[in-house]
This record gives sequence, C-alpha cells and structure tokens, in this order.
Amino acid sequence: DAGVIQSPRHEVTEMGQEVTLRCKPISGHDYLFWYRQTMMRGLELLIYFNNNVPIDDSGMPEDRFSAKMPNASFSTLKIQPSEPRDSAVYFCASSFTTDNSPLHFGNGTRLTVT
Amino acid sequence: GNSVTQMEGPVTLSEEAFLTINCTYTATGYPSLFWYVQYPGEGLQLLLKATKADDKGSNKGFEATYRKETTSFHLEKGSVQVSDSAVYFCALSRNTGGFKTIFGAGTRLFVKA
Repeated sequence: DAGVIQSPRHEVTEMGQEVTLRCKPISGHDYLFWYRQTMMRGLELLIYFNNNVPIDDSGMPEDRFSAKMPNASFSTLKIQPSEPRDSAVYFCASSFTTDNSPLHFGNGTRLTVT
Repeated sequence: GNSVTQMEGPVTLSEEAFLTINCTYTATGYPSLFWYVQYPGEGLQLLLKATKADDKGSNKGFEATYRKETTSFHLEKGSVQVSDSAVYFCALSRNTGGFKTIFGAGTRLFVKA
C-alpha cells in the first residue's frame, strides 16, 4: 500500500496566482479530509468528503478556497487567488467509515505565497 | 461540543527519562481516542488508539489508558530515546452523522542524548 499521496511536496507562488494541491487517498477508504497546519493555528480541518461527496466545508476559510473529489481516487484543493496568509502545510488524509478507524495522512504540501 | 486539551510544550527530556504527556477530552457519548505522532517533514501517523473505557493502547513502548471517569488519555513511555523527538497529538473521533477527528494542539518533545 503506497499510502496517501500528495503533490506537489513544495509549492512557491506569487500572490494572486492560482494554486492546486492534489491528493490520492488509500484505495478503499471512503472518507477524505483536507487539513491545514500552521504554527499559529495548529491543525485545522478545512473540508471532508464521504464517498466523494463534500459533507462539511465549514472550515474552508474563504471563497478563495475550493475542493473537489471527482472520483474515489483523486481530490484537489484549489486556492484562487492565493495570498501570503495562505502559506502553510496542507495535509490530505483518508480513512474507513467507522469512528475507531484512524486517519492516514500524506506527507503534505508546503505552500509558500510571496 | 467535542474538544481535546493537551499539555503545552515543548517538553525536553534526557534519554532514558520517563515521559508523560497529559490529555483530557470533552465529548458526548463514547468517543474513540488516539495518539498521533508527527516527525519533521512528515504527516501525522497513528501511534496508538483505544476505543472504549479502560482500554489500554500501546505501541513502540508508548501506552495510554482510556479513563472515562477522569476523561483523560495520558501518553506515557518508560524510557525515551532521541528518536522519539517529535510532535505528539491527542485526538478523539465521534460519529455524529458524519464524523470528524478533533485534535489537540500538539506537544513537541525534545529528547537529548
């Protein structure tokens, strides 16, 4: 099992540009989560999907952020336009459906917006 | 609502010292409880879990017991190693018609040789 795969590992972009982060969950997992981690705010849940359907996007900070899951093996998180305060590490995680199933995290995308 | 509170770090210990990282939670019903560990440059990974009261989770010498009476899930290790230096997150998960994992703020551990 390759685990959760995220790309790119690092992204540096200028303010105002569009950024797309990608995630491939573990095969068979039916929940997918996007988190953001910063020193100031710690680990924040942005949005999560169940069977490719967004369930709760209350953590998405602004309309500049959007996420999609077109199929069970792929999800994207898009920021348009990006701002310096979006600089953070973005993690994707997946799991099975039960509440005693742990989350499996990817290694994250470190985003720097200048 | 559901929440997790864990001790602030950083915690600095010498190799072979005893480790305790305190974690308490607030939740309705019977959540599952987890400890995750994050090494530099990596995502969080499961360290151990417990799914009901009085369960003890253990892995790699780390242990934590689900204490419902004190709503606690403290992490312990009898003898830490330099390689245990990382950030440790306590978390709970509860299915409330969709489910989320609620994380504590994380505790950074430094172990000196």
